[in-house]
Amino acid sequence: GENVEQHPSTLSVQEGDSAVIKCTYSDSASNYFPWYKQELGKGPQLIIDIRSNVGEKKDQRIAVTLNKTAKHFSLHITETQPEDSAVYFCAAWGGYSTLTFGKGTMLLVSP
Amino acid sequence: NAGVTQTPKFQVLKTGQSMTLQCAQDMNHNSMYWYRQDPGMGLRLIYYSASEGTTDKGEVPNGYNVSRLNKREFSLRLESAAPSQTSVYFCASSGTGASTEAFFGQGTRLTVV
Repeated sequence: GENVEQHPSTLSVQEGDSAVIKCTYSDSASNYFPWYKQELGKGPQLIIDIRSNVGEKKDQRIAVTLNKTAKHFSLHITETQPEDSAVYFCAAWGGYSTLTFGKGTMLLVSP
Repeated sequence: NAGVTQTPKFQVLKTGQSMTLQCAQDMNHNSMYWYRQDPGMGLRLIYYSASEGTTDKGEVPNGYNVSRLNKREFSLRLESAAPSQTSVYFCASSGTGASTEAFFGQGTRLTVV
């Protein structure tokens, strides 16, 4: 099955800085890579996703890049704000024909 | 638009007790999932149902059973709860196939003492 590794496990930045979270996956057949944001006491919510035929996707302050050859993908958040503080999960579609999640990154943005 | 609704939100069980976690979605999705979330472990798939009438094991199915009651509802049952099943449980649903967004419920925090 698919295996997704996510780093770092915690990330602290100052407001206005950029934040980068990196993930690797093992199944070369995986073709869909979403990122979820989970706020305290809530379920994860999709913030951006990328499919295997695309190398980069942007949505305002958030961007995701995908390198299929190296089997890694990254989330980039620019101009971070305190409300970006949350746990972020990467995931890959593969193995069991379902999503496999990384272990999560706790992002703390300090004012 | 309710999305994915889970009940209950909180539950405390004694070791050996049984209970059923309920999940319903109103998005006409074919696929439904149960995950558990533990500190430092991310979200791990317990069981899933790719369509009404089918269920399959995920990564951590031991100690659980599921029922896809109809297209809307997917329940998770603990027959004899153990402290190792203390966790936050999330139900999710999605359309058919890959590249479709999964929508999550608010979670059920279960403590087994």
